[in-house]
Amino acid sequence: DTEVTQTPKHLVMGMTNKKSLKCEQHMGHRAMYWYKQKAKKPPELMFVYSYEKLSINESVPSRFSPECPNSSLLNLHLHALQPEDSALYLCASSQDATPSYDNEQFFGPGTRLTVL
Amino acid sequence: AQSVTQLGSHVSVSEGALVLLRCNYSSSVPPYLFWYVQYPNQGLQLLLKYTSAATLVKGINGFEAEFKKSETSFHLTKPSAHMSDAAEYFCAVSNQAGTALIFGKGTTLSVSS
Repeated sequence: DTEVTQTPKHLVMGMTNKKSLKCEQHMGHRAMYWYKQKAKKPPELMFVYSYEKLSINESVPSRFSPECPNSSLLNLHLHALQPEDSALYLCASSQDATPSYDNEQFFGPGTRLTVL
Repeated sequence: AQSVTQLGSHVSVSEGALVLLRCNYSSSVPPYLFWYVQYPNQGLQLLLKYTSAATLVKGINGFEAEFKKSETSFHLTKPSAHMSDAAEYFCAVSNQAGTALIFGKGTTLSVSS
């Protein structure tokens, strides 16, 4: 199984709502990532989890709260978002977070988030 | 610091024509280079990766890329374009710590019949 799954596929929320994005992989990968992608732009790294511990937070606003309950699962909790947070949110995983020719990242299909 | 530059934000070819998407990298250490493709409203799919075993790397869907250290390039090619190749293509390099991918700005490939 070389798949990263993400739910939901689409999410529409108001600025006062609380919602969560879910990501799952069963490849035994120990690094998981959240990226944000605006239209016609490359993905931008938000968070990196390595061995279930948050290792990188790219100065992301606190209205985004990541969680890694176990090695297969990654959540992104959303609260009090702004319309400019509307984007495609991509989850990815890799064997671990070390530099290697074989350590490519596998991406999920993304969650298309719209904040009204 | 590692970086990649993709020359040409938009490339248009006819079906059956050669596809050439350009990527130049900057790295102070041997680079870990990747090409990803993104179809509309989908995630990123790995096309190929440089592994240092060979300078010519073959990937999925008939794509290949050649690593040229002297030119700091990793251009993506396909001999004959198909309509289904129309997508966004991203060149990426791993940062030195291996904790993140640094993406180029992307190249949109259009294929006309």
